[in-house]
Amino acid sequence: DTAVSQTPKYLVTQMGNDKSIKCEQNLGHDTMYWYKQDSKKFLKIMFSYNNKELIINETVPNRFSPKSPDKAHLNLHINSLELGDSAVYFCASSRLGQRSSYNEQFFGPGTRLTVL
Amino acid sequence: AQTVTQSQPEMSVQEAETVTLSCTYDTSESDYYLFWYKQPPSRQMILVIRQEAYKQQNATENRFSVNFQKAAKSFSLKISDSQLGDAAMYFCAYRKNTDKLIFGTGTRLQVFP
Repeated sequence: DTAVSQTPKYLVTQMGNDKSIKCEQNLGHDTMYWYKQDSKKFLKIMFSYNNKELIINETVPNRFSPKSPDKAHLNLHINSLELGDSAVYFCASSRLGQRSSYNEQFFGPGTRLTVL
Repeated sequence: AQTVTQSQPEMSVQEAETVTLSCTYDTSESDYYLFWYKQPPSRQMILVIRQEAYKQQNATENRFSVNFQKAAKSFSLKISDSQLGDAAMYFCAYRKNTDKLIFGTGTRLQVFP
């Protein structure tokens, strides 16, 4: 039973193309996130949605547009791909709740994007 | 802004020995959470251990324990009886309430037989 799934796991594409990465969680969580891990393994938040509403939008180029059709899905669309977009993109989810729940974030397996 | 610093890019340990990974953070908040995540070559992010800032008692999960020093803003991870399967990147992370995770730069742990 996959808790947080991402498709595809690998994505190789040419500069200038538009691509999407999909994320789905079956944990009943109400908050989902996109993180980017660069070539030096540094992980940084990009976006966060709570109940389909954007609540975190870090300094990310406008070419990146998240879309949340429902609480269980958060997709990431990237326009006009650039070489610097090559990275691993992680989706995560959590439940906004009381202190005792720790609000643990569960991560998907990551999508390795390579822009040629 | 909150920051998380891991000053050890790489560490190594002999199997069955103990190793400690360092993490310091900067925040003006008094209520927050701290985490250690493990990322093996499979790249899956796995939660190892977590600590709530208001709890003075150090968290423990089997062979993994933390030394949480709130005043010093230090959160180190101790791995006892190291196993070959512990080899991975380890990330320290901070979160204020239900906010985003802020990660350190990671420490690559090698385990030698």
